[in-house]
Amino acid sequence: ETGVTQSPTHLIKTRGQQVTLRCSSQSGHNTVSWYQQALGQGPQFIFQYYREEENGRGNFPPRFSGLQFPNYSSELNVNALELDDSALYLCASSLGRGDQPQHFGDGTRLSIL
Amino acid sequence: AQSVTQPDIHITVSEGASLELRCNYSYGATPYLFWYVQSPGQGLQLLLKYFSGDTLVQGIKGFEAEFKRSQSSFNLRKPSVHWSDAAEYFCAVGGTASKLTFGTGTRLQVTL
Repeated sequence: ETGVTQSPTHLIKTRGQQVTLRCSSQSGHNTVSWYQQALGQGPQFIFQYYREEENGRGNFPPRFSGLQFPNYSSELNVNALELDDSALYLCASSLGRGDQPQHFGDGTRLSIL
Repeated sequence: AQSVTQPDIHITVSEGASLELRCNYSYGATPYLFWYVQSPGQGLQLLLKYFSGDTLVQGIKGFEAEFKRSQSSFNLRKPSVHWSDAAEYFCAVGGTASKLTFGTGTRLQVTL
């Protein structure tokens, strides 16, 4: 069973640029959630995709957007990068939208210069 | 709005000693509750979860947690800590298992 994989591992961008982060969900999982973890903080929920549709969003501006593909992999896109976007971005997959726990990838470390 | 408080930012225990990490939550109904562990540079690993039923739940690596509705708490315990338990521990709450609000974490240091 393949776990959640994220790419790239590390990324450096400058202010104003755009970035795309990728996530392959665990085999059999159809739900993907994205979290932002700033240094020294707990993860914060960005949004969730279930069967290619957005299924809930946290308190993040519209420049954070996403996609889920028919194979349930997902992308997180961030436009107009700001210094405060520097963080570890975590992807988690699960089966359904109910009581099945999430499994996390190791994250993408994004640094904004 | 749901929230989680982990009052202890940093805890140091000796190897072999017992451990209790505190977690208090705010949620309007019966919540889904979780403890995750994160090693440096890694993602989050699920230690245990509570949805309903028995309020004492067992997890991996010898951890357990007790749900106390009257105290809005879900404290994590381990009777004997191993050096490999050193990591960051996060408590999380949600209305489902996959849209979670996390606490700020407790960093556990284990001395030999």
